[in-house]
Amino acid sequence: DAGVIQSPRHEVTEMGQEVTLRCKPISGHNSLFWYRQTMMRGLELLIYFNNNVPIDDSGMPEDRFSAKMPNASFSTLKIQPSEPRDSAVYFCASSFQGSGNSPLHFGNGTRLTVT
Amino acid sequence: AQSVTQLDSHVSVSEGTPVLLRCNYSSSYSPSLFWYVQHPNKGLQLLLKYTSAATLVKGINGFEAEFKKSETSFHLTKPSAHMSDAAEYFCVVSPSNTGKLIFGQGTTLQVKP
Repeated sequence: DAGVIQSPRHEVTEMGQEVTLRCKPISGHNSLFWYRQTMMRGLELLIYFNNNVPIDDSGMPEDRFSAKMPNASFSTLKIQPSEPRDSAVYFCASSFQGSGNSPLHFGNGTRLTVT
Repeated sequence: AQSVTQLDSHVSVSEGTPVLLRCNYSSSYSPSLFWYVQHPNKGLQLLLKYTSAATLVKGINGFEAEFKKSETSFHLTKPSAHMSDAAEYFCVVSPSNTGKLIFGQGTTLQVKP
């Protein structure tokens, strides 16, 4: 199993540009999570999907952020327009949520720098 | 409301000595608890999980954690630290069957030769 795959690994962009982060979850997993990690705020849950449906997007900071999951094997997190304060490492994670709490499997993250 | 508190932001030990990373949780019912480790420039890797079975949980790389309901604690231990254990460790509580996780602020473990 290749694990959760995120792309790109690094992204450097200028303020105002659109940024799209991509995630391929582990095959068979039915839940997908987007997290953001910064030194100041630690790990923050942005949004999570269950069976491709967004369940909780209360962590999405602003309307500039949007996430989609068109099918079980792909998700995107888009920032438009990007700002310097969006600089962070963005993690995607997946799990199989059945009758109990299964652990999350994390990708290696996308390090975003907005100048 | 559920929360998790890691009592030390930074722990430093010598190689070969025991490791203790402390974690307290708050939950209105029996939670699921996890420890994750994050090495530099990497994603988070699951070390171990507690889901109301045995209170002493063994994980990977020689780590283990004991669930103590009376103390609302889930401390992570290892008898003998190795240089490769140097990383950031996160205590995590999952308050429901959604899989939504609440992360502690993390503890940086430094291992000195």
